[in-house]
Amino acid sequence: GQSLEQPSEVTAVEGAIVQINCTYQTSGFYGLSWYQQHDGGAPTFLSYNALDGLEETGRFSSFLSRSDSYGYLLLQELQMKDSASYFCAVNTGGFKTIFGAGTRLFVKA
Amino acid sequence: GAVVSQHPSWVICKSGTSVKIECRSLDFQATTMFWYRQFPKQSLMLMATSNEGSKATYEQGVEKDKFLINHASLTLSTLTVTSAHPEDSSFYICSAMDNEKLFFGSGTQLSVL
Repeated sequence: GQSLEQPSEVTAVEGAIVQINCTYQTSGFYGLSWYQQHDGGAPTFLSYNALDGLEETGRFSSFLSRSDSYGYLLLQELQMKDSASYFCAVNTGGFKTIFGAGTRLFVKA
Repeated sequence: GAVVSQHPSWVICKSGTSVKIECRSLDFQATTMFWYRQFPKQSLMLMATSNEGSKATYEQGVEKDKFLINHASLTLSTLTVTSAHPEDSSFYICSAMDNEKLFFGSGTQLSVL
């Protein structure tokens, strides 16, 4: 079957750096995306990696290694507002996207 | 990024009534839109893929007659929950793909009494 694995919870302090890993096993792969979702809200797009390497967008970076079927989201200079759920998702082609179960990030003062 | 608008944000209805949720792509054309359902603290569950001008493709276990999808134009897809029951209470989210990235509507919290 197809699956994405990511940690269920991560806790970190304000100002710290946190990395959320995602490993995937899918029948097709066109790219790895990351989404942020606050409680009661809808997911918002954070980043997309189609090729190996690091993509940086402000305090957020995302990495992909297709040979390892692995990627991560790196959040730097953590702020309280970063407390949310983070989903990795794989575009398997044909408009099909599979989501991980999500990682709840708790940022403490 | 692309903008997807979803209405209403929340709705409360009586059991047995039908509820329509609209999803619009505001600054791009979306031949394909997606409808998800999400329970608290869980991931998004794809319900169906909405195709402009043709029938929607439903995921296994999703009742076609229960969740009616219409995608009559390149910017609008609607989901109608027919004869709603309390177990249909959930957070429903639509999305559309633009340049290989998914963009989501703001979601609709449905509560069926």
